Amino acid sequence: DAGVTQSPTHLIKTRGQQVTLRCSPKSGHDTVSWYQQALGQGPQFIFQYYEEEERQRGNFPDRFSGHQFPNYSSELNVNALLLGDSALYLCASSLAGGAEAFFGQGTRLTVV
Amino acid sequence: SQQGEEDPQALSIQEGENATMNCSYKTSINNLQWYRQNSGRGLVHLILIRSNEREKHSGRLRVTLDTSKKSSSLLITASRAADTASYFCATEDGTDKLIFGTGTRLQVFP
Repeated sequence: DAGVTQSPTHLIKTRGQQVTLRCSPKSGHDTVSWYQQALGQGPQFIFQYYEEEERQRGNFPDRFSGHQFPNYSSELNVNALLLGDSALYLCASSLAGGAEAFFGQGTRLTVV
Repeated sequence: SQQGEEDPQALSIQEGENATMNCSYKTSINNLQWYRQNSGRGLVHLILIRSNEREKHSGRLRVTLDTSKKSSSLLITASRAADTASYFCATEDGTDKLIFGTGTRLQVFP
């Protein structure tokens, strides 16, 4: 079992550009959540996908959007990048109604 | 926004000593979970305690939960250099969404 895999591991983008991050959940998991972790802070919830729908959303602007595919994998898209979007983006998968979430190694996004 | 605070923000101990970290949160919870993070990489799940439980053990880890005080503690016994990491508590309200605390940076010296 490969666990949760995220790609790419590192990414450098220019302010104003758009970025897409990818996540493959742990085998058997149907729920994917995305988190943003700024340096020195705890992860902050962005949104969650279940059955290809956004089930709930944190306090993030519409520039942050996502998608879940029929195989449960997910993408996080960020438009019009700002310097403040520089962070570690973490994907977590779980079984709906279950409790334990498994995290990927994250994508380190740097906006210059 | 963060759910709550973790205390202390940083902790330095010698190998073999015990490490205690505390977490406070603000709202009702379904369960509380503790995670470890090494060098800003992915989070590793350590232990989960449900709202109707008061104490739980897993290997060298002991977690307590006091829902009346909205607080939890994580005790790592007989610490090792490999325990050096950041530790986060996270609350879950029944919707599979995790709200994290601010974290405790633990340094264990050989």
